[in-house]
Amino acid sequence: AQTVTQSQPEMSVQEAETVTLSCTYDTSESDYYLFWYKQPPSRQMILVIRQEAYKQQNATENRFSVNFQKAAKSFSLKISDSQLGDAAMYFCAYRNVYLTQGGSEKLVFGKGTKLTVNP
Amino acid sequence: DSGVTQTPKHLITATGQRVTLRCSPRSGDLSVYWYQQSLDQGLQFLIQYYNGEERAKGNILERFSAQQFPDLHSELNLSSLELGDSALYFCASSVSDSREQYFGPGTRLTVT
Repeated sequence: AQTVTQSQPEMSVQEAETVTLSCTYDTSESDYYLFWYKQPPSRQMILVIRQEAYKQQNATENRFSVNFQKAAKSFSLKISDSQLGDAAMYFCAYRNVYLTQGGSEKLVFGKGTKLTVNP
Repeated sequence: DSGVTQTPKHLITATGQRVTLRCSPRSGDLSVYWYQQSLDQGLQFLIQYYNGEERAKGNILERFSAQQFPDLHSELNLSSLELGDSALYFCASSVSDSREQYFGPGTRLTVT
């Protein structure tokens, strides 16, 4: 079974600074998807960024980028120019590509990292 | 706004009772997923439906059941409720082979 580990329960960053959230995962599959979701105090789960395992290029969405290291099974999220609105829980998630891989397209989540942004 | 709707937003009920949570997926999405978020277990997958058929089961208790109707909305039924069932229940939807799942706002269930 696939597992996702976020080793930093809490992180803090100064407004306008850069912060990196860590995520490692375990899988025997060669093709899969990885995601970062943001959960602000409103509790809504918001998709931040997506990475396909077959792509070597790291995904980028505005101020959010990832460092995907497939061999190391590492998938970190970098937030640049942090803003107060970035304060939230961040969840790393894994998903199989094919139904044959465990028979489901379910997301497997890490425990989350709580990010605080200081003004 | 993800386009996924869930009702009710909050639900408070007593132990032993039964409740029904409702989810309407985004227009055109055939897959519906249910997840439970609790303090001790984190975010866990419960069950997936695709175009009315059950596709996959996760850590779903026997006291819980779900279904997806012809109009593609889904309901999660929780019965014989226990204190430990208190959690945030999310519904998510996706098109059949999409990589993204879009989450609804969740239903917060409190069992007293």
